[in-house]
Amino acid sequence: DQQVKQNSPSLSVQEGRISILNCDYTNSMFDYFLWYKKYPAEGPTFLISISSIKDKNEDGRFTVFLNKSAKHLSLHIVPSQPGDSAVYFCAASLSYGGATNKLIFGTGTLLAVQP
Amino acid sequence: DSGVTQTPKHLITATGQRVTLRCSPRSGDLSVYWYQQSLDQGLQFLIQYYNGEERAKGNILERFSAQQFPDLHSELNLSSLELGDSALYFCASSLRGQGGNYGYTFGSGTRLTVV
Repeated sequence: DQQVKQNSPSLSVQEGRISILNCDYTNSMFDYFLWYKKYPAEGPTFLISISSIKDKNEDGRFTVFLNKSAKHLSLHIVPSQPGDSAVYFCAASLSYGGATNKLIFGTGTLLAVQP
Repeated sequence: DSGVTQTPKHLITATGQRVTLRCSPRSGDLSVYWYQQSLDQGLQFLIQYYNGEERAKGNILERFSAQQFPDLHSELNLSSLELGDSALYFCASSLRGQGGNYGYTFGSGTRLTVV
């Protein structure tokens, strides 16, 4: 049961343009949604998150939008830079109380920013 | 350096064998999580420990087990290894057992190859 889906395995954009990465989820109990960035031979690194009660969160060039009715979130990167080229994972947090939690990850989208 | 240390970085072993992967969480973090990433797959949640206690379980095989020690380091034991167990195994940590605003901090992973 894939609760978090990233339907685009790859995305290519030109430097300076906007990159939009998409993610869909099925479980209404997720309390936070997060984006991670991963370079080859490294672990994922946290990028930005959004609470399930918000619809937008912005941090510099990165903005995450949440559409709860559609169970959809997206990450916008503006402007895109060659250093942004990496695999981006969408993740959703399930908390059970009492310090019990797990992040459910999507399969990732490989972003290539062309100079 | 994320502060989460995983050893070894690479491991090659034969089918039927048993291996132990080790993780030292970021200083001050009480919760440890284990993930498996197979080829072309997202990160699959295996198990969470918080301050020495098992808290959440994912799709962890019965041949796999984990524990968190009093000094908070954790070990993932994989036994009766099969070719399909070849994957990247990531450890992550967080201050408390919450995915929330800041997510988890990941190590750089152990690449396991079963031949």
